[in-house]
Amino acid sequence: GAGVSQSPSNKVTEKGKDVELRCDPISGHTALYWYRQSLGQGLEFLIYFQGNSAPDKSGLPSDRFSAERTGGSVSTLTIQRTQQEDSAVYLCASSTGLESYEQYFGPGTRLTVT
Amino acid sequence: GEDVEQSLFLSVREGDSSVINCTYTDSSSTYLYWYKQEPGAGLQLLTYIFSNMDMKQDQRLTVLLNKKDKHLSLRIADTQTGDSAIYFCAERRLTGGGNKLTFGTGTQLKVEL
Repeated sequence: GAGVSQSPSNKVTEKGKDVELRCDPISGHTALYWYRQSLGQGLEFLIYFQGNSAPDKSGLPSDRFSAERTGGSVSTLTIQRTQQEDSAVYLCASSTGLESYEQYFGPGTRLTVT
Repeated sequence: GEDVEQSLFLSVREGDSSVINCTYTDSSSTYLYWYKQEPGAGLQLLTYIFSNMDMKQDQRLTVLLNKKDKHLSLRIADTQTGDSAIYFCAERRLTGGGNKLTFGTGTQLKVEL
């Protein structure tokens, strides 16, 4: 009965490098979300995938951020040319679908950009 | 505005009741949630209330919803040291599509002996 898992749990990178963060949702969950939790901005929505529909990218802060979801399961959030303001905890959540009231959150990936 | 607002800190004595308040923004929000985040951990859903309800009780937790004022509160009865955490309210907005949540700033609850 695994929950949402994320890897790595911690990532330290140098400014300007690219990073990839991974999310494994709960098996069978069709909806997947990425959020970011930072000191300055609180908890903010980044992107949302639902089944085979086009993702809702309305929360991505810049074009350096992108995400994909392969095979309707695992998702990867990529940040290119990282900046110090990208330092945050990146949280992934999944739910059974659009109408589900509950999103199950993973433990997050703490990203530190030096 | 877009912000969901909460007070930043609350300190209570063990055994007392805690009340955490939240003001949300979108009258069309369908669900309102309370999440708990302990240090180093992810978000745990505590409870939720559907927008056509005024109150929901779940063991030590009572949620009150005032739609007119867009005010949500979480009452924790008999607060314990294990309740020390950050509590986030969140709204699921009907507008904008999808099921994304808009979170408040979080209230850090400290329970003292």
